Amino acid sequence: GESVGLHLPTLSVQEGDNSIINCAYSNSASDYFIWYKQESGKGPQFIIDIRSNMDKRQGQRVTVLLNKTVKHLSLQIAATQPGDSAVYFCAETYMDTGRRALTFGSGTRLQVQP
Amino acid sequence: KAGVTQTPRYLIKTRGQQVTLSCSPISGHRSVSWYQQTPGQGLQFLFEYFSETQRNKGNFPGRFSGRQFSNSRSEMNVSTLELGDSALYLCASSLGRGSNSPLHFGNGTRLTVT
Repeated sequence: GESVGLHLPTLSVQEGDNSIINCAYSNSASDYFIWYKQESGKGPQFIIDIRSNMDKRQGQRVTVLLNKTVKHLSLQIAATQPGDSAVYFCAETYMDTGRRALTFGSGTRLQVQP
Repeated sequence: KAGVTQTPRYLIKTRGQQVTLSCSPISGHRSVSWYQQTPGQGLQFLFEYFSETQRNKGNFPGRFSGRQFSNSRSEMNVSTLELGDSALYLCASSLGRGSNSPLHFGNGTRLTVT
């Protein structure tokens, strides 16, 4: 498949374990955050989002935690499955000279061992 | 509901040529954004269109241009292709403008410049 990133940090977990993917964002004014999953040969797929007035949000098997004090975002995946193997990106949005800007992190590769 | 559709899926061009990529957003989505994805630079924002008007632009040379039609479909054009333009070009649509709602991506057009 097509390579999304050749030298991405990689997290390797056993099937059934919980995974935690971390992201440090750059702008203290960022007020909306999104996690995406990108499988080989596909575009990024929306997983979950969170606004800055929250510090936790849960979805199906996923939880996003936001720590604005240290500008840190994490994605927790419960009972990781082989289908969760992909590259995960965090994205932050903020207002920049009157326009909303969106920037993506460099990504983390999750490898699930059966 | 159909997702974001990008055509063509793959494209091979030679240096100096130009190329046009097409994107059909999710029905009802009026905002379309384009991104360039490379292993070295990750996801880089190209531009955003809303209601046929370019609302935001990234740091790419003028060889990269785009437009949006009244039905929200969008095209991007790259003229005088360079080897470094080889990348996966992703289109994303959203309900609202300005990256304050989740982006939904297509599977991209893989452009190879030889």
